[in-house]
Formats: sequence, C-alpha cells, structure tokens
Amino acid sequence: NAGVTQTPKFQVLKTGQSMTLQCAQDMNHEYMSWYRQDPGMGLRLIHYSVGAGITDQGEVPNGYNVSRSTTEDFPLRLLSAAPSQTSVYFCASSYSSGGTYPQYFGPGTRLTVL
Amino acid sequence: EDQVTQSPEALRLQEGESSSLNCSYTVSGLRGLFWYRQDPGKGPEFLFTLYSAGEEKEKERLKATLTKKESFLHITAPKPEDSATYLCAVQAGNAGNMLTFGGGTRLMVKP
Repeated sequence: NAGVTQTPKFQVLKTGQSMTLQCAQDMNHEYMSWYRQDPGMGLRLIHYSVGAGITDQGEVPNGYNVSRSTTEDFPLRLLSAAPSQTSVYFCASSYSSGGTYPQYFGPGTRLTVL
Repeated sequence: EDQVTQSPEALRLQEGESSSLNCSYTVSGLRGLFWYRQDPGKGPEFLFTLYSAGEEKEKERLKATLTKKESFLHITAPKPEDSATYLCAVQAGNAGNMLTFGGGTRLMVKP
C-alpha cells in the first residue's frame, strides 16, 4: 500500500494562476480531507468528503474547490491563487466517516504564490 | 468552539532525560483525542487514539494519557531520533470526522 499520495511536492505560482493539487489513497477509505499548515496556525481544515460525490466545507474553504468522483481521488483546486494561499497542504484519509478513526496524512505539497 | 492548546511550544532535552508534553482541550463531547508525530518536511504520522478519561496507550518510549481536560505525552529516556513536532487533535461529538489541532510541541533531543 502506498497510503496517501500527493503531487506535486513543490509548486510556485503567480498571483491569479490556477492549479490542482492531486491526492490519492489506496486504502479504500471513505473519508478524505484537505488541510493547510501555516506557522503559528496549526493544521486547518479546508474541505472534506465523506464519500464519492459528497463534499463539504471546513474551517477555511474560501478560494478552494474540491470534488470527489471516485473513492480514491480527492483533488484540491485553487481557482485564482493569492499570496495568502502560500502554505503547506496536506491531504488525509480515514477509514469511515462514522465512528472514531485516525486520519492518515500524505507527504504534503509546499505551495508558494508570488 | 473547540479549542486545543499544546505546551510547551518547544522543548529541549538531553538524551535519556524524561519529560511530558501537554495537550489541553475544550470540546463539546469528546469522541477521540489523537497524537501525531511530524518530522520536518513530512506529513503527520499517527501515534495514538485515546477515547475516554483514564485511558493510556504506549508505544516504545512514548505513553499517552487522558483526563477530562487534558492529555499528556510522556517520553521516557528519549533518544535523538525522537526529535520531531508532536501534534494533538480532538474529534468532537457533533463534528463528524473533523479534527481540531493544537499548535504542536517541537521536541529536540540532544545526544
């Protein structure tokens, strides 16, 4: 099992550009989520999905879109990048959206917006 | 609003010097408290889940404990390879799978 994989590992964008951060998991997990991690702010939830076709907003959703067409994939789209979106982005997955299960994290994407 | 506070922010230990990291939380109906380890440039790695006050979990030199207001991560005779940032997160009863994270404790163990 590769677990949770993310691409790219690093990305530099100019203000106003759009891009998609890819996330995939091979554990057949029902729940997937996206976090951003900023110094002094901890990990904050952007969007999450409780299953294919179902997504919802987290704590900091503005400027981001998600979709979940398959169980395995959960891409995060930046619509028009802003310097405030410079951050490290982590995708995570969990066995089920019910119950109490740990979330397993990918290696992260470090994004810089100039 | 759910809140998680970790202390200290940073901790320097000598190899073999035991200590504890604190995670204080305020949550509406705790379903679970999670401890993660994060190495520089990597994603958080799951360590433990604690479900109710009085519960303890152990893994090698780490032991996590839980009370109604806080959790401790005890590190016994740490080694340099235990150096990392340790994150605590809570899952509230009314929040589905959503986790609220603390800011983390950066642990440095000197040989």
